[in-house]
Amino acid sequence: GIQVEQSPPDLILQEGANSTLRCNFSDSVNNLQWFHQNPWGQLINLFYIPSGTKQNGRLSATTVATERYSLLYISSSQTTDSGVYFCAVDQGGSEKLVFGKGTKLTVNP
Amino acid sequence: DGGITQSPKYLFRKEGQNVTLSCEQNLNHDAMYWYRQDPGQGLRLIYYSQIVNDFQKGDIAEGYSVSREKKESFPLTVTSAQKNPTAFYLCASSPEGDTQYFGPGTRLTVL
Repeated sequence: GIQVEQSPPDLILQEGANSTLRCNFSDSVNNLQWFHQNPWGQLINLFYIPSGTKQNGRLSATTVATERYSLLYISSSQTTDSGVYFCAVDQGGSEKLVFGKGTKLTVNP
Repeated sequence: DGGITQSPKYLFRKEGQNVTLSCEQNLNHDAMYWYRQDPGQGLRLIYYSQIVNDFQKGDIAEGYSVSREKKESFPLTVTSAQKNPTAFYLCASSPEGDTQYFGPGTRLTVL
């Protein structure tokens, strides 16, 4: 099956810093999503982005489908950005998502 | 309020017991999903359903069962055949061709 790899596995930042999270996938995909899991376990949708670039406030994402990767940018990080960021892909048809193992982000005050 | 609810939030089970986790949504979504998350890992798909009275196995269905008798409800039963059931269980739903929306999760611990 398709493989989804996220890097880095862990990231520690000071408040106000910028960061880039990467997601590589091993095969063509129908769609790609980014999620944020807060410390209580709730997953929040960030982006539905099979290709191109989207922005939402301090967060933006770019997917280059032909090169099989996606990037999530976080600017001016805040302590509330802490948690785990997951990339998930589906190859079409049933909309089954395959998740990466996530990037754990810690933003210190 | 529209959304996805899961109950209970915490569940403790003795070895050899079956337990059922509840998932309800009032978003009128056709598709529903169950995932399992182990510490430090991503989510793995257990079962999914794209329409009432139909469901499909995911990647780790052994030891689990589901039903989809109503559009709003997709309960998951963790049977005694599941060898290592302690995990965080997440339910999701989605409209066709759109992102998945997740419930708050149930933490299951086997004593």
